[in-house]
Amino acid sequence: QQQVKQSPQSLIVQKGGISIINCAYENTAFDYFPWYQQFPGKGPALLIAIRPDVSEKKEGRFTISFNKSAKQFSLHIMDSQPGDSATYFCAASKSDYKLSFGAGTTVTVRA
Amino acid sequence: GAGVSQSPSNKVTEKGKDVELRCDPISGHTALYWYRQSLGQGLEFLIYFQGNSAPDKSGLPSDRFSAERTGGSVSTLTIQRTQQEDSAVYLCASSPSGPRSYEQYFGPGTRLTVT
Repeated sequence: QQQVKQSPQSLIVQKGGISIINCAYENTAFDYFPWYQQFPGKGPALLIAIRPDVSEKKEGRFTISFNKSAKQFSLHIMDSQPGDSATYFCAASKSDYKLSFGAGTTVTVRA
Repeated sequence: GAGVSQSPSNKVTEKGKDVELRCDPISGHTALYWYRQSLGQGLEFLIYFQGNSAPDKSGLPSDRFSAERTGGSVSTLTIQRTQQEDSAVYLCASSPSGPRSYEQYFGPGTRLTVT
């Protein structure tokens, strides 16, 4: 069973717009929540990550929002660019380090 | 510096044959992971090595799958008597020790096709 549920499956955004991807988890033992970006034919690349002791983390145009009580976290891509077109995966892990991944969201940024 | 490297990048094999996939982690990284990415199952954990500790094999789907890590560095994932459902991209990741130990860095993967 998938421990991390991700939505939407795909989204299309205009250049300059905001892309929002949502994830939800059940296991309260999870204590690390990374986001990965994957281009076709490449391995996933670590984009940004958050711990549950903070509600938001921003790195450049990428922001993670974390809601511990709702067991949800989301990725916001501000000022989306065509080069951001990729598949994005949320993930979660416990102290055992094993990542449980969401199903992925394919983002298409239209110029 | 150099990232995680994997070889071969593509492997086509016949059903029933054995295959070996290789992973070279980032130099100095103490932990190494194998994951599998397939259309039906998404990204799933297979096995985890940390230093000299016994590996966590809890994600291996069957006893046809095994992995070893020699000298705390290079790892080989072996699949015996391959089946068509083994077709997937096999990804290796490594992570450093210390405060960034949660950060996993992935290689480009090996695409395995079983015919």
